[in-house]
Order: sequence, then C-alpha cells, then structure tokens
Amino acid sequence: AQKVTQAQTEISVVEKEDVTLDCVYETRDTTYYLFWYKQPPSGELVFLIRRNSFDEQNEISGRYSWNFQKSTSSFNFTITASQVVDSAVYFCALSGNTGNQFYFGTGTSLTVIP
Amino acid sequence: EPEVTQTPSHQVTQMGQEVILRCVPISNHLYFYWYRQILGQKVEFLVSFYNNEISEKSEIFDDQFSVERPDGSNFTLKIRSTKLEDSAMYFCASCRGSSGSAPDTQYFGPGTRLTVL
Repeated sequence: AQKVTQAQTEISVVEKEDVTLDCVYETRDTTYYLFWYKQPPSGELVFLIRRNSFDEQNEISGRYSWNFQKSTSSFNFTITASQVVDSAVYFCALSGNTGNQFYFGTGTSLTVIP
Repeated sequence: EPEVTQTPSHQVTQMGQEVILRCVPISNHLYFYWYRQILGQKVEFLVSFYNNEISEKSEIFDDQFSVERPDGSNFTLKIRSTKLEDSAMYFCASCRGSSGSAPDTQYFGPGTRLTVL
C-alpha cells in the first residue's frame, strides 16, 4: 500500500525563522518518486520538487532544502529564513512504479507571522 | 511558461444536476488526471487518462463520473447527478509521460471549486 503521512497539521513561525515540514511515506515499490507541492491561499497546487528513490542526495533551491532518508522513509522539507509569502499548505506526495497516480499526505498548513 | 488551465473557477449547481468541468492540459503532455480536494482535506486521486482511455481510477470514481477528451486540447470531467458530498475543489493535472515505469511530474491546474446545493 502507498501512504504518505504528514503528522504536522499546522505550524506557525515568526518571519525569518527556519521551519521543517515532515513527510513520512510507506511503499512496497523499490522504485518510487516523492514530490512536494505548495498550495497558497489562492488554491492552486504548485510543484516544488521531484525526487526518485535512487537519489538520496539532499537538494537545495534558494531558501528551500529537502532531506531524503530512505532508512527512515522520510522526505522532509526545510524553509530557511521564512517569509510571509511562504504561508501556504504544503503537500508531500508519492508515486510508485506500479501506476502513475499520486498519493498525497494530508498537508501541513504553514503560517509565517510578520 | 505553459500551464494547465481549468474552467470554470467556481461552479454552483443543484443536487441532481449534471456538471462538466473543463481542463486544457499542457499541449505536449500525454497523461491527464483528475483529483479532488474536499475542503480542508487532502488531495485525492480520481482518474488517470492516456491514449484516449482510462488507465487507472479510484474507488471514488464511480458510475456517476466520466471523463472525455472531446478534441485535441480539452479534457473534461462529467458528474452525472451531483450529490452534496461532491462539493470539493477539482484539480486537473497533466504530465508529459513516463520513461518506462517512471512517473513524470504532474502539473496541476488552478482547480474548479464545485458547490452542490
């Protein structure tokens, strides 16, 4: 079974603080793909990153970084020096190699307070 | 930058009515999807479509739902007889394809908010 768990329902931070959003996944597939999407208040889903199961290198893109650890089945997302514009719901998603549907977590609502 | 578009942005309908939600996927994409998100909940997969047929569907996608690609650009979701519980945001997504079994990144449209009264 494919499952994504985002245990943090809501997080509030003060602007310029760093924040980490947790994502834990379950899959029986040996090849799989992990994604993060951002859903701002306007409602659209914005693609942030795609990572395959063979690539455990951490990735940094500006203030965003991702830490993929197969040993703990986690794919955590860190925002450094948070800004008000980072306020959104963030979804982690999983896709296996037996189909191409995405399995989404329940999302983490991030509020950055000015 | 090409993007997925959806119309209308908000649809209000009476219970029992049929609705058609429209999507224009990114032009060189081959796989199309519908997802829904009930307010405050997670995004749930409904159906995927490739080569003019459904390739996967979830338990949610029952007989009241259907999808169609009526021409070279549009991808539609029809709900035959809407129920109150169909009220949700419906997202269309598309991706270029897969290399072997590797799923490509899905790009989502802005969503259509469906309200069933």
